Amino acid sequence: RKEVEQDPGPFNVPEGATVAFNCTYSNSASQSFFWYRQDCRKEPKLLMSVYSSGNEDGRFTAQLNRASQYISLLIRDSKLSDSATYLCVVTWTGNQFYFGTGTSLTVIP
Amino acid sequence: EAQVTQNPRYLITVTGKKLTVTCSQNMNHEYMSWYRQDPGLGLRQIYYSMNVEVTDKGDVPEGYKVSRKEKRNFPLILESPSPNQTSLYFCASRGGSYNEQFFGPGTRLTVL
Repeated sequence: RKEVEQDPGPFNVPEGATVAFNCTYSNSASQSFFWYRQDCRKEPKLLMSVYSSGNEDGRFTAQLNRASQYISLLIRDSKLSDSATYLCVVTWTGNQFYFGTGTSLTVIP
Repeated sequence: EAQVTQNPRYLITVTGKKLTVTCSQNMNHEYMSWYRQDPGLGLRQIYYSMNVEVTDKGDVPEGYKVSRKEKRNFPLILESPSPNQTSLYFCASRGGSYNEQFFGPGTRLTVL
């Protein structure tokens, strides 16, 4: 079983739509969670960390559900520039990081 | 400009010919790491380093070596590359307000 699993998509949504991604993790001792964005095989870049109480950054909202061992990312009012692959990242040691395979999003005009 | 640099960006080589991919960061980060990215498998951690002279295996260390003689540099060494090491490699360093990982631009390696 993979440590981190994501639905690969692709998700094709119209501009202005709301889209949500989920990511499940296997280790209940996981302590830190992140969402990264990766454009077209370029380097991943941090989108946001995920806090236990949930957190929001503009149009992006991240949630953590420890009981069910998943994290989610909600994007509201999708823009064309949101088209990318979104990577879920989990660590339980703080030094070894486990990435999901990514969820592909295309926002259509 | 704060950044992680990798060289070379592209490399085609043959089986068994030793190679080194360099990685350097100018952010004074203590933690550095190497990943490989393959279709359907995502990014997998090869090695990481907590500080100078301290390195540890990640998820897929077989066939790779690393060294950390200076804080800013973390080279990845393939002593005898094989075709299954054909991949996209990323170096990263960690630090900053959010303790996030900053990635280099990637090195696309093909082993024939």
